[in-house]
Amino acid sequence: ETGVTQTPRHLVMGMTNKKSLKCEQHLGHNAMYWYKQSAKKPLELMFVYNFKEQTENNSVPSRFSPECPNSSHLFLHLHTLQPEDSALYLCASSQDIAETQYFGPGTRLLVL
Amino acid sequence: DAKTTQPNSMESNEEEPVHLPCNHSTISGTDYIHWYRQLPSQGPEYVIHGLTSNVNNRMASLAIAEDRKSSTLILHRATLRDAAVYYCILSQINNDMRFGAGTRLTVKP
Repeated sequence: ETGVTQTPRHLVMGMTNKKSLKCEQHLGHNAMYWYKQSAKKPLELMFVYNFKEQTENNSVPSRFSPECPNSSHLFLHLHTLQPEDSALYLCASSQDIAETQYFGPGTRLLVL
Repeated sequence: DAKTTQPNSMESNEEEPVHLPCNHSTISGTDYIHWYRQLPSQGPEYVIHGLTSNVNNRMASLAIAEDRKSSTLILHRATLRDAAVYYCILSQINNDMRFGAGTRLTVKP
């Protein structure tokens, strides 16, 4: 499935680093999402964008900063993360909110 | 938000049918029932969805109870590649979908 791509696929960073995760969708969708999946936990919805506007922020700490410059690209900027932020970060898109979501392969993040 | 209840895990034998149940007793009239699955080391993928009538596609069938308070995902012949976590999710128009813990399906050869 190449509809939603994420880079990098793996990332190791220190707690003082700044890094960004990138998501790109080639499906012409209007909505994009960031999810966090920690080990043995359900997916947690972090942010939702609809037509480039953020419509939801599920009490995510400010060390995670999303950016949606256009409807095809979504970024997650990371700054001063904690070891407990180590997880799989998944991006998804859908034609509109609540419609079928298509997921990328995820970025596996390790914070040391 | 309407909630769903699924068994934590199920086992199946290869090439046998699998029925994955989901209870959603507080479903509203406008909630769609979606199923996704997540294979190991991958992001979730869409399986099927429906509103009131049973649905079939190349991956699975979805059987929806007449009162819509439960549904069943049917894999007609399980293969080893069907081993995954299966999520049953309710969604309304303009509301995002929330994933629960899902059912971990193990397929034995």
